[in-house]
Amino acid sequence: EVQLVESGGGLVQPGGSLRLSCAASGFSFSSYWMTWVRQAPGKGLEWVANIKEDGSEKYYVDSVEGRFTISRDNAKNLLYLQMDSLRGEDTAVYFCAGGNSGCEYWGQGTLVTVSS
Amino acid sequence: QTVVTQEPSLTVSPGGTVTLTCASSTGAVTSGFYPNWFQQKPGQPPRALIYSTFNRHSWTPARFSGSLLGGKAALTLSGVQPEDEAEYYCLLLHPGAWVFGGGTKLTVL
Repeated sequence: EVQLVESGGGLVQPGGSLRLSCAASGFSFSSYWMTWVRQAPGKGLEWVANIKEDGSEKYYVDSVEGRFTISRDNAKNLLYLQMDSLRGEDTAVYFCAGGNSGCEYWGQGTLVTVSS
Repeated sequence: QTVVTQEPSLTVSPGGTVTLTCASSTGAVTSGFYPNWFQQKPGQPPRALIYSTFNRHSWTPARFSGSLLGGKAALTLSGVQPEDEAEYYCLLLHPGAWVFGGGTKLTVL
């Protein structure tokens, strides 16, 4: 059974940092691009970042470029999102996704709230 | 900044057929954008339905079909079931930047 389990969300003050993790199992993690997608409360889906199978290519939505860093550990089947200089508009549920076609499998998401 | 546009809402009767579309501000949507479609119900993560324009995942019911239609990506639901009421999102894979559409709320009434 394929599983993606996100962790690391929580309440953080503006300007603070958080590191999200996504533990993958049940599929060949190291063979696929992985992606972070977020969804602000009551809003639609927004692609945040993705990373190539070997980590050699990374792409970000403009609004997080320079503040967020995506990475992966293929030996441990883990995907990460380091989030720095957080802003109120970063408040959202963050989903990790991956598999064939990029977003075949999804986790349940982890909530990040940026507020003072 | 690329904008991907979907119908905000559509209503269909049970057993009917409905087509959702997905347009790009950059011009015609082609297979080169590998259009994906997702279904999301309240309180749940998205579920992948279609990838690379028309390919169904193993769990996707046959009543869901993807295509290109008039310069847009399209998702057609035939023989709509009550459980198909949900939000539907398209995703276009622009080089270096993936972009979701704003979503279509499908009501089955």
